[in-house]
Amino acid sequence: AQSVAQPEDQVNVAEGNPLTVKCTYSVSGNPYLFWYVQYPNRGLQFLLKYITGDNLVKGSYGFEAEFNKSQTSFHLKKPSALVSDSALYFCAVRGQNTGNQFYFGTGTSLTVIP
Amino acid sequence: DTGVSQDPRHKITKRGQNVTFRCDPISEHNRLYWYRQTLGQGPEFLTYFQNEAQLEKSRLLSDRFSAERPKGSFSTLEIQRTEQGDSAMYLCASSQLAGEWNEQFFGPGTRLTVL
Repeated sequence: AQSVAQPEDQVNVAEGNPLTVKCTYSVSGNPYLFWYVQYPNRGLQFLLKYITGDNLVKGSYGFEAEFNKSQTSFHLKKPSALVSDSALYFCAVRGQNTGNQFYFGTGTSLTVIP
Repeated sequence: DTGVSQDPRHKITKRGQNVTFRCDPISEHNRLYWYRQTLGQGPEFLTYFQNEAQLEKSRLLSDRFSAERPKGSFSTLEIQRTEQGDSAMYLCASSQLAGEWNEQFFGPGTRLTVL
């Protein structure tokens, strides 16, 4: 079965500190991995994706994520958190052999404390 | 702004009534997706269109749900005989056909409340 796990419902980090939002996945075939961010009363916005190639991918707003095949993880990172990064973050996966269905995690609420 | 739009943004209905939602994707996007999102959960895939063809449907999509994309542009999602369990945010997303793994662009959603 295909699935995504975001083990932390809530992450708090001080402004200026590095942040990590965790994601692990289970999918048949090669994974195609995505991170989205959701601000209150707004739609999900794409941050970054991993399809193939370099395990470290860079995306919007200074975010990056590292694909680790052996640990089936795709953690989202940012070297220095901003208060404006406070939002709900979703990890999503689509498998090479799972058609066009995307599977989303339950989301992690990030709060950056001034 | 030519992003994905959805209408209405909010819908309150009584149990047993039918409701219809509309999604207008980004104009050059061939692919269109419908998702359902409940509080504390991530979006759950409902169905997928490539142009006007509905190519995939989730097992979540009961026979009370029907989606169309008649001209390959806008799409409608209809729920017949609504139940309280249908209360959720319904999200539409679109992406380009070219490039197999292009990211999806999401609309703001339609929040459905079934009383």
